[in-house]
Amino acid sequence: LAKTTQPISMDSYEGQEVNITCSHNNIATNDYITWYQQFPSQGPRFIIQGYKTKVTNEVASLFIPADRKSSTLSLPRVSLSDTAVYYCLVGDGSGNTGKLIFGQGTTLQVKP
Amino acid sequence: DAGVIQSPRHEVTEMGQEVTLRCKPISGHDYLFWYRQTMMRGLELLIYFNNNVPIDDSGMPEDRFSAKMPNASFSTLKIQPSEPRDSAVYFCASSPPAAGSTDEAFFGQGTRLTVV
Repeated sequence: LAKTTQPISMDSYEGQEVNITCSHNNIATNDYITWYQQFPSQGPRFIIQGYKTKVTNEVASLFIPADRKSSTLSLPRVSLSDTAVYYCLVGDGSGNTGKLIFGQGTTLQVKP
Repeated sequence: DAGVIQSPRHEVTEMGQEVTLRCKPISGHDYLFWYRQTMMRGLELLIYFNNNVPIDDSGMPEDRFSAKMPNASFSTLKIQPSEPRDSAVYFCASSPPAAGSTDEAFFGQGTRLTVV
């Protein structure tokens, strides 16, 4: 089972770009990298997913180097409402995309 | 679609009582997950179903926990008997058929269970 490692917490200020890096040294060839966001008292919410290089959507960008052993979630110009826990997930290596295992996540605190 | 619907939102029960949590997944989704979240252990996958069939229940902590999915639109998680250490937020999530390795799951609002 691919394991992820990410910082426990990060602080930022409004308007800054935030980059959260996740390590997944044992990622399998058929694994995708997925990021979720969780606000207090809510369930996690899908943000972005990628396999390699760069993926961008209206919320964030995901950068994945060629060796895929790490990934970086980039949040442009954060606001107070981006304060949340961010989870990095990879597949379980069996090709079964149904199994989603969450790690400890990174608690992002955005300050005014 | 209203999203994943869980009930009740809050449940307070006495130790030893049976607790049943309910989940209605998004129509058309064929994966259903049950998670438990606590401060100490984070978000734990308890069990997941595919097409109403339990695929992996290795996360179910004890025999006191059981889950069923009698049809595509309904699932239950039952704890019997309940214990104080079962106090947590329980999330249900569903996701569409795995096409192209999409790992987007949709979570419900959760059920906050307190066992006293």
